Amino acid sequence: SQQGEEDPQALSIQEGENATMNCSYKTSINNLQWYRQNSGRGLVHLILIRSNEREKHSGRLRVTLDTSKKSSSLLITASRAADTASYFCATDLWNNNDMRFGAGTRLTVKP
Amino acid sequence: GAGVSQSPRYKVAKRGQDVALRCDPISGHVSLFWYQQALGQGPEFLTYFQNEAQLDKSGLPSDRFFAERPEGSVSTLKIQRTQQEDSAVYLCASSLLEGLELFFGEGSRLTVL
Repeated sequence: SQQGEEDPQALSIQEGENATMNCSYKTSINNLQWYRQNSGRGLVHLILIRSNEREKHSGRLRVTLDTSKKSSSLLITASRAADTASYFCATDLWNNNDMRFGAGTRLTVKP
Repeated sequence: GAGVSQSPRYKVAKRGQDVALRCDPISGHVSLFWYQQALGQGPEFLTYFQNEAQLDKSGLPSDRFFAERPEGSVSTLKIQRTQQEDSAVYLCASSLLEGLELFFGEGSRLTVL
């Protein structure tokens, strides 16, 4: 069963615009991670945020975590055509180290 | 090795055949995960190993699915008497320790005819 749900399911923007994707989850967690997947490839880790952190940055990526709302957001600033991919959030459970993924947001960045 | 390696990359099986999918994790990685990914969907958890111990197999869809990691390194996912609904990409991931980032292989795409 999937722990997280991403929103929106699909997002299409122009190059240079910002892209925001949201993730909601169901149970308490230790950490939340975001991954990227290009078509036909494996997933690549982007960023990890721990349950006691509220915001984290990595290059053009900004992740926020609101444990009271059980939600996270991923912001990609100044998007590029190469950012076109599916983006997934993944969470572990506070008492279990399994990593469970959501259904993903498919991002298309038009040049 | 440089990354997680999965084989075969592509497998076509006739319904009823048994298949075995192999995962070579990054050397020294303690945790190993198997996921099933249908087209356009997110990875669905199948099972998780910590070294050779299978700590969670709650995601295996039926008793036709079996996974092992006998020496705490290479893992094999076996599917017996394959059915059409087993067609999917099977992803393997490893991490150095629990709670850290996962490194994924490229996946094994299984097509059951």
